[in-house]
Order: sequence, then C-alpha cells, then structure tokens
Amino acid sequence: AQSVTQLDSQVPVFEEAPVELRCNYSSSVSVYLFWYVQYPNQGLQLLLKYLSGSTLVKGINGFEAEFNKSQTSFHLRKPSVHISDTAEYFCAVMKAAGNKLTFGGGTRVLVKP
Amino acid sequence: GAVVSQHPSWVICKSGTSVKIECRSLDFQATTMFWYRQFPKQSLMLMATSNEGSKATYEQGVEKDKFLINHASLTLSTLTVTSAHPEDSSFYICSSGTVDQPQHFGDGTRLSIL
Repeated sequence: AQSVTQLDSQVPVFEEAPVELRCNYSSSVSVYLFWYVQYPNQGLQLLLKYLSGSTLVKGINGFEAEFNKSQTSFHLRKPSVHISDTAEYFCAVMKAAGNKLTFGGGTRVLVKP
Repeated sequence: GAVVSQHPSWVICKSGTSVKIECRSLDFQATTMFWYRQFPKQSLMLMATSNEGSKATYEQGVEKDKFLINHASLTLSTLTVTSAHPEDSSFYICSSGTVDQPQHFGDGTRLSIL
C-alpha cells in the first residue's frame, strides 16, 4: 500500500515570498505523483503531476515540484506567492499500474499581505 | 477541457431522509468514477470506485448499504446516502479520469444532516 506524508499542516507566508510544501511518500511499487489545490468549498484542481521523465515538473500558476526518488519526496515550490494562493494543497500518489489516488493530509497555505 | 459537474453543491435535510448526489462527466466518457469523503480540515478519503455497468468497489469500512452507488451510464454516477444521520454530515467529492489524464474533480457537495 502507498502512503503520503505532508510534513506541514499549515504554512503561513508573506505575499511575494517563496514557499515550499513538503511531501514524502512510501510505496513498494512505482508510483505517479500529483499536487492538487483546493479552494474553500470547492473540489480539487490539478497543479502538476509526475509520471516519468524529467524530475522537475512545472505546473499551473507558477508552481513546480521536483521528484526525488532516493528521498521519496515530491516537494512543491513557488518562488513568489500571491494572496490568491491561499488554499489547501494536497500531495497524492497513484500506483503506476492503478488508478486510485492516495492523498496526504494536506497543507494549508495562508498568504499574508 | 474536461469537466465533472457535481450536484447539488449544498444540501440540508432531516435525519432519516435519503440524499442523492449526482456526478456527471460533461464532455468525456467516464468508465470509472471515484467518490471521496472529506471531513473539515482533513484530507480526502476514498469511499468507493464506481464502474459503469457493474457494481461499485467499496473501500474497507464503508457501508455498502448506507452509501449506494449507481453508474448506469458513461456520463453519470450517483451516490445516495440512505437514512442519513448527523454523523454522515460531510463534504462529498466525486472525480473521474485515468492516470494519463488528470483526475477531474467535481466541486463537491456539502451535506448537512439536522
């Protein structure tokens, strides 16, 4: 079975500052990795995904993440955040041969002016 | 792009009633849909996998008779919470897609049982 750990439950950050959200996973098989964003009372929107190839993945809204197989990590970064980035962020994994997502506990990002 | 439409977005009902939530894929055929439950400030927990034309596959601990799932067509899956009680109050989200397409999520249904 897969598991995902998001090390920070809440990350306060000032506007225009960089942010990094940490995600570590555990799996005995190859996995695909995803980051989603959830705004209040809404579903999830895909930010980016890693399936194969380059370990640095660029997504929407200026986000990027780097897959590190040796450290089993997939940390999300943005060099300069906006107020509108205030949301809940979820890291998720999926077995390469499957179709079910396993989510981390989420990280709440609060961007302060 | 592909869109999943979920309805209703918010429902309040009395304890003991049944509530149906619909999840539609608007411009693609969804052979598989997923139903999640999310408690406040918590992550999404997969409840069941809905397969078009066959029985749903439920995750461990999810009551099949409580949460009825129907996936009668390639564009519609429904979740019915039967005889709902206050502890069933939660945010329910559906999604569809495969690994080579991003999983498309509905906007969720907030269910409040009085």
